[in-house]
Amino acid sequence: DIQMTQSPASLSASVGDSVTITCRASQSISTYLNWYQQKPGKAPKFLIYTASTLQSGVPSRFSGSGSGTDFTLTISSLQPEDFATYYCQQTYAAPYTFTFGQGTKVEIK
Amino acid sequence: VQLVESGGGLVKPGGSLRLSCAASGFTFSSYGMVWVRQAPGKGLEWVAFISYGGSDGYYADSVKGRFTISRDNPKNSLYLQLNSLRAEDTAMYYCASCGNYGGHYPFDYWGQGTLVTVSA
Repeated sequence: DIQMTQSPASLSASVGDSVTITCRASQSISTYLNWYQQKPGKAPKFLIYTASTLQSGVPSRFSGSGSGTDFTLTISSLQPEDFATYYCQQTYAAPYTFTFGQGTKVEIK
Repeated sequence: VQLVESGGGLVKPGGSLRLSCAASGFTFSSYGMVWVRQAPGKGLEWVAFISYGGSDGYYADSVKGRFTISRDNPKNSLYLQLNSLRAEDTAMYYCASCGNYGGHYPFDYWGQGTLVTVSA
């Protein structure tokens, strides 16, 4: 099975900061990598697919990159509404399995 | 697009439950659908996938043989039958649509979730 590992598990940042979250796959998944945002008590929200394509309506301060096994999500100029937990997900092995990373919590410093 | 789950509740270990997800605002019969769960304070775990026609279903190893995903396209409804429930199945259960983005299949729309608690 494909394992997804995110780092860090949590980070503290201030409004206006730029932050980067890393996601690593246990084997090459090409660009079959998605990112989601989840706020407390809410359902996840779909942000990015194919590693770097923003879903419609997602602010341009979000960006994704990577291919193969190493991926990043960058949020430039953090806004108050961006403090949340972010998850990566592989769909390379879809529909047999879809694996999420363990999540990265972005907290206010 | 709207997805509304129902059917969660408190159930004893070994018991059963049937979750439902009512879909609207899109052509339900054209999309694969999934169930995803989240244990309290934990991350997201994919549980099951069903193809748009309902003929193919796939499961996480943790639920294989105990859970069954199904759908009724004329009723725009998705279901998850949970049998032989364990304490570790306690979680919020979300249904989500599996969009087709050029051969990539992210979970593009999510319901608000229904809580399943397994406890004696």
